[in-house]
Order: sequence, then structure tokens, then C-alpha cells
Amino acid sequence: GDSVTQTEGLVTLTEGLPVMLNCTYQTIYSNPFLFWYVQHLNESPRLLLKSFTDNKRTEHQGFHATLHKSSSSFHLQKSSAQLSDSALYYCALSVPYQGGRALIFGTGTTVSVSP
Amino acid sequence: EAAVTQSPRNKVAVTGGKVTLSCNQTNNHNNMYWYRQDTGHGLRLIHYSYGAGSTEKGDIPDGYKASRPSQENFSLILELATPSQTSVYFCASGDTGRGQNTLYFGAGTRLSVL
Repeated sequence: GDSVTQTEGLVTLTEGLPVMLNCTYQTIYSNPFLFWYVQHLNESPRLLLKSFTDNKRTEHQGFHATLHKSSSSFHLQKSSAQLSDSALYYCALSVPYQGGRALIFGTGTTVSVSP
Repeated sequence: EAAVTQSPRNKVAVTGGKVTLSCNQTNNHNNMYWYRQDTGHGLRLIHYSYGAGSTEKGDIPDGYKASRPSQENFSLILELATPSQTSVYFCASGDTGRGQNTLYFGAGTRLSVL
């Protein structure tokens, strides 16, 4: 079935260093829509960025990701981490679901940025 | 201007009791969803609805029912609550424009079943 895999449960880094969060997916559908959601402490998940175009870089709020259908990947990157980037990050896949559409989420990656 | 509102925000229930979680959206989205969030599992889909009067089972529907009486309202019902249902529950509404299905989440309900 459809699934999303995030291999890192926790990423700890120092402010100013680059961040890369891994996301791979499995789906039978040839035109997947991929998303990154971010959830800060005691808040709800909110959309960070999304893509459905193969090999096109998508950017938002200093983060970027590129959908690569050849490798079924949608990794999230940022060149220089800030303290405010500490949060839980979810990769998600949009799939047709019993007459509608639903998001399938990965297990999430917690990012902790220290001074 | 919160577009997805959940109530209650916190709930303590007893095992075997009935619990109803409510959700209201002002986005005029057709799709609405209930997810639960647990460490190590991420967000898992319980039930969803693609319009008033419809409900569909998600990936983990056992022990839960759902009700969508109107475009704006979507409830999650635990008829016989169990401690394993202690979790944080999120309601979301979905914009399916161009098939993308961007979700907008409520603030969440923290449920403890004792």
C-alpha cells in the first residue's frame, strides 16, 4: 500500500549548520503529491511546502525540497538552521482514498537546534 | 480567525465511558479528517468524510465512530473509551483543489482515558 518513510526520529544540530531530513515514499500512483508539515511545540501541524512536479525545487521560509520520482524521494533541506526551526517535521503523501483524497503521514522527525 | 475549531481542548474520561470530540470548520472544504498523534507513529487517519452525511474508515477506525451532519461539523465518537485511546486528536479540513489536498488542522484535543 501507500506509505511514507522518515528514517530519522531525532536530529540534533547546532545553530547555523545545514539541515537535511529524509523522506521516501511508496505509491502505485504515477502522479504523487508530496508535502512537508511542521509542528512547533504545543501547536498544530501546518503546511511548510508541497510539490507535485518532478525534479522542480520548491522553497518556503528558507526550506527547500525537490520531488524526485525516480528515487521516490522528497528530502527537506535548509542551508543554515535557526533556533526557531526546532520542531516536529512530517512528510506526507496525498493519495486517492475511497472516493476522496487523504494524506498519509510519515512517523515524523524531531529537530532540535541548540546555540 | 481560526478556520478549524476543536472542542474540548482537553478531556479526561473513564474507561468504558462515551466520549465525543467535536470539530467545526469555516473553510467550506468538502473533506474533513480525524487523525490521532502518538510518538513513534506520527499522524494516523481514523475516519474521514468527503461531504455532509458521509463518513469513511481510515487506517485505524476500530473503537471509533464518526458523524458528519453538515458541511461545517465533523465529530469523532468513542462509544466505550479504553486507555489505549489516550492520545492527541487532530481534526483537519482539506482543500482538494487540483487534487493536492492541502490539510488545515485544528488545535487538537488531548484525551486521557483513565
